[in-house]
Order: sequence, then structure tokens, then C-alpha cells
Amino acid sequence: QVQLVESGGGVVQPGRSLRLSCAASGFTFSNYGMHWIRQVPGEGLAWVAVISYNGNTEYYEDSVKGRFTISRDNFKDTLSLQMNSLRPEDTGVYFCAKESAAKIGLAYDVWGQGTAVIVSS
Amino acid sequence: EIVLTQSPATLSLSPGERVTLSCRASQSVNSQLAWYQQKRGQAPRLLIYDASNRATGIPARFSGSGSGTDFTLTISSLETEDFAIYYCQHRTKWPPGATFGPGTKLDIK
Repeated sequence: QVQLVESGGGVVQPGRSLRLSCAASGFTFSNYGMHWIRQVPGEGLAWVAVISYNGNTEYYEDSVKGRFTISRDNFKDTLSLQMNSLRPEDTGVYFCAKESAAKIGLAYDVWGQGTAVIVSS
Repeated sequence: EIVLTQSPATLSLSPGERVTLSCRASQSVNSQLAWYQQKRGQAPRLLIYDASNRATGIPARFSGSGSGTDFTLTISSLETEDFAIYYCQHRTKWPPGATFGPGTKLDIK
């Protein structure tokens, strides 16, 4: 079935790095833009980054620009988020999400289960 | 930057009741608005896209309406499994980011 499975979260000290991964299955991964969205515990959802279907275009939320890098491997159907110089405010659950098909508007129709990142000394 | 506000923040209702949730955009988003349901410990689930279209597998008791800056999500008769947090969301093709509302929490009375 259509599925996204994240991994790579954990507890890390401020200033250190972490790499998240998202494994896709059940759909043609290379046809869709992919996003990372985070959620601070008890709070709402915040968009983090996007990569185009072919990997040629990336775009980031201002607070992570220069620190986070989104990438994808369309042969391995995998999305990644390299997070460097982590800050306590980066703490949260990180979801990968698939863009919906054009006929379904500008939404996210498949989400992973999330992976928790805790930045603390 | 478009800001989405949702009201009310929390709502306490009983199963079987009808509920309408509101989402307002700081400027027109035409019909480019989606609604999601999130239960504790789970990922969000797409309910409505393009303001009024139900996503695949979403029960008919869920409906969306609105355009421009004012949108509503209506649940015609609440089921026990509908008690959750509901978020509205707007995304643009360029810049390709997304904005989410702060959410409305639906509690069982």
C-alpha cells in the first residue's frame, strides 16, 4: 500500500547534526514533490522544506536555511533531511509528506508516521 | 505571507451533533485550501482539498465550503472517532511552501 516511513530521529545536543530519512512505497516516488513538516509537541504544524519531483529545486523555511538540506534518491525511493547546527527550537516530530496529484489540488495526501527530534544539552 | 486563523480553538460537543469549524486567510487564497484531521500520536489525514472536495475514503458527513478568505469544515453528525484536532492548510506552487492554521480541537462533552 501507499506508505511513507521516517527514521533517524533521536536526542542530540545543540550544534550537532542529525539525518532523517523517509522511505516511500506503493506509488511512483519520482513523480511527486516531497516535503518535510514538523510539529512541536502540543502545538501545530509548520512547513520546513520541499524538493521537486526530480530533485532540481529545493526550498526552505527561513529559520532552517543554510542549516538543513533536503535531498532525494529516486532510484531508492528515499527522501532525506540533513540537519546541521541544530537548535533547541528545532525540537519536534518531523513528518515527510507527499504532494497530492495536480487534480487533487495543492495538498498532502500521504504522510509518514513521524520521527521525533529532541535537541537538548 | 498568508496567515491562517482558525476558530474556535476548542469545541466540546456530543456525538450526533453537527459542527462547523472556521478557517480565515489573511488574504485571498481562492479555493486553494485543504483540511486535515489529526488524532493523538498520529499523522494528519487529508479530509478536504480545494476547499470543498472530499479526499478518497472520507465519509460524506465531512464537507467543506468557502473561497477567498473564509472557509468552513462541517461535520454533519459527529461520530466518536471524529474527536480530534482539525487543521486548515494553504500551499502555493511558488514559493512552494505551506501554511497551516493553529488548529481546532474537538473534545467530547
